[in-house]
Amino acid sequence: DQQVKQNSPSLSVQEGRISILNCDYTNSMFDYFLWYKKYPAEGPTFLISISSIKDKNEDGRFTVFLNKSAKHLSLHIVPSQPGDSAVYFCAVGSSGSARQLTFGSGTQLTVLP
Amino acid sequence: DTGVSQDPRHKITKRGQNVTFRCDPISEHNRLYWYRQTLGQGPEFLTYFQNEAQLEKSRLLSDRFSAERPKGSFSTLEIQRTEQGDSAMYLCASRGSGRYNEQFFGPGTRLTVL
Repeated sequence: DQQVKQNSPSLSVQEGRISILNCDYTNSMFDYFLWYKKYPAEGPTFLISISSIKDKNEDGRFTVFLNKSAKHLSLHIVPSQPGDSAVYFCAVGSSGSARQLTFGSGTQLTVLP
Repeated sequence: DTGVSQDPRHKITKRGQNVTFRCDPISEHNRLYWYRQTLGQGPEFLTYFQNEAQLEKSRLLSDRFSAERPKGSFSTLEIQRTEQGDSAMYLCASRGSGRYNEQFFGPGTRLTVL
């Protein structure tokens, strides 16, 4: 059973436009949500996070939105840049446990110049 | 560089051999995690240490896998009698003790079992 789903394996966006990456989760016990970016041959790099007490968190070009009722998380990148091309993973955790993260399967973002 | 480091970066071994990987976390982080990532998937949790205590293990961690974190500093992950299905990227992450601290990942060890 997949607790975290990223239904789009890939996404292509023109440079300067908005990239929207989506993530759905099933367990309402999750209360901490993160996005990681991964380049080939490197480990995941933390991008941005949000806790369940918020519905939006912004950091520069990156904004994460949380819809708890829909159990849906999204990452907006605006404006998109070619250097943003990477695999993006959403991850969820629970503050009541060891807080291991459960990851989605990733979305390959390609930003076209 | 004060990030998470892992050694080796790549390991090729024959089926049935034992392998050991090392992770050095960020020095002030007392929590350490091991994950495994296979092609087309996100990282999957294997085990968790708080200081030197191994507090949680996934069902993915079969009896052939063992992890240690002596003195609460670096950690090792050993796989005995490797199988082809063990071929994967093994990732280590660490975090501090705050309520929502994100995990910082190392570059991973790519294991290929022939």
